[in-house]
Amino acid sequence: NAGVTQTPKFRVLKTGQSMTLLCAQDMNHEYMYWYRQDPGMGLRLIHYSVGEGTTAKGEVPDGYNVSRLKKQNFLLGLESAAPSQTSVYFCASMGRGGPKETQYFGPGTRLLVL
Amino acid sequence: AQSVTQLDSHVSVSEGTPVLLRCNYSSSYSPSLFWYVQHPNKGLQLLLKYTSAATLVKGINGFEAEFKKSETSFHLTKPSAHMSDAAEYFCVEGPSGGYNKLIFGAGTRLAVHP
Repeated sequence: NAGVTQTPKFRVLKTGQSMTLLCAQDMNHEYMYWYRQDPGMGLRLIHYSVGEGTTAKGEVPDGYNVSRLKKQNFLLGLESAAPSQTSVYFCASMGRGGPKETQYFGPGTRLLVL
Repeated sequence: AQSVTQLDSHVSVSEGTPVLLRCNYSSSYSPSLFWYVQHPNKGLQLLLKYTSAATLVKGINGFEAEFKKSETSFHLTKPSAHMSDAAEYFCVEGPSGGYNKLIFGAGTRLAVHP
């Protein structure tokens, strides 16, 4: 049981390049989330998904797209990277048990956009 | 809007002394509250959670937190700090809303000195 895994762990991009971050979970969770973490700001929600085939915007969605084609995977895409997207990205997943559920986080992806 | 306030951005203690990390939440109803810990270059790990059962919640590694509705607080404590406790700690409220959104505090960085 690997929990939540993220690929890659670290990436350097040039401005304007594109990339996809992959999140995978093996806990059969319905909900999946992408956050970004910036110094002094906690985690901010980018996009989320409440089930296979559904996605929605969080607090800071601009410049990102997501897809949830399979229940266990949640992809985050950057179509044209900008230096402002330099951050650490965390994926999380959660079951559908309501307020008592816990979100489980992946180890993070460090992205540097030059 | 709901918010979580961590009252100290940095806390420094000596090894073997007590730890107090302060957190206030803003919900007018009884929320679910969590403390997560993040060690350097690692993902977030759940320390403990409050879900309207006992107001004193015990977590991993000797940490505990007390829910005080009258003070809208959920402070994290540990009787005796260990060097391995040095990390960043996040107070989190949720899930709430239609997509079980978590609300993160900005974080408290705990330093433990010999």
